[in-house]
Amino acid sequence: GENVEQHPSTLSVQEGDSAVIKCTYSDSASNYFPWYKQELGKRPQLIIDIRSNVGEKKDQRIAVTLNKTAKHFSLHITETQPEDSAVYFCAAGWGNQFYFGTGTSLTVIP
Amino acid sequence: EADIYQTPRYLVIGTGKKITLECSQTMGHDKMYWYQQDPGMELHLIHYSYGVNSTEKGDLSSESTVSRIRTEHFPLTLESARPSHTSQYLCASSSLGGTEAFFGQGTRLTVV
Repeated sequence: GENVEQHPSTLSVQEGDSAVIKCTYSDSASNYFPWYKQELGKRPQLIIDIRSNVGEKKDQRIAVTLNKTAKHFSLHITETQPEDSAVYFCAAGWGNQFYFGTGTSLTVIP
Repeated sequence: EADIYQTPRYLVIGTGKKITLECSQTMGHDKMYWYQQDPGMELHLIHYSYGVNSTEKGDLSSESTVSRIRTEHFPLTLESARPSHTSQYLCASSSLGGTEAFFGQGTRLTVV
């Protein structure tokens, strides 16, 4: 099956700075790469996703980039705010089958 | 409101007890999943289902079993709970043609 690695496991940034979380995957058949945000005590929720036919996707302050050749993809959050503090999971897969990374705990310091 | 529901939210039980964690969704989704989430965050897929009478094991070896008799219902059963089963269990669902997974609130299980 797919093996997804995620780094860093913890990340602290000052409010207003940017945050970058990186993931690599192993299976070249993967064509769908979602990112989930899990706030403390809450359920994971999809925040952005990208498909393999697209290299970059942006939604307001968040963006995701994908490099299929190198098998890595990244989440970029600009102008971070305290409410961005959460655990972020990347995932990779195809169809309805996808595998999660190990998570990144992001803390935005006011 | 369409959603995915898990009960109970919290459960403390003794070793050796049989328990069933409930998961129901009113979203009309065919595919459902069970994930085990470690205290340190990581999500592990333990079971999934494509529809009624379909059940598959995930990547994480689990002593639990699941059933899918109705589309909206996907319960997970532990025949004999052990302290190693202490964890949070998250149920999720998605449409067969779609990709986004919707998660329930989770059941936090403690086996003493």
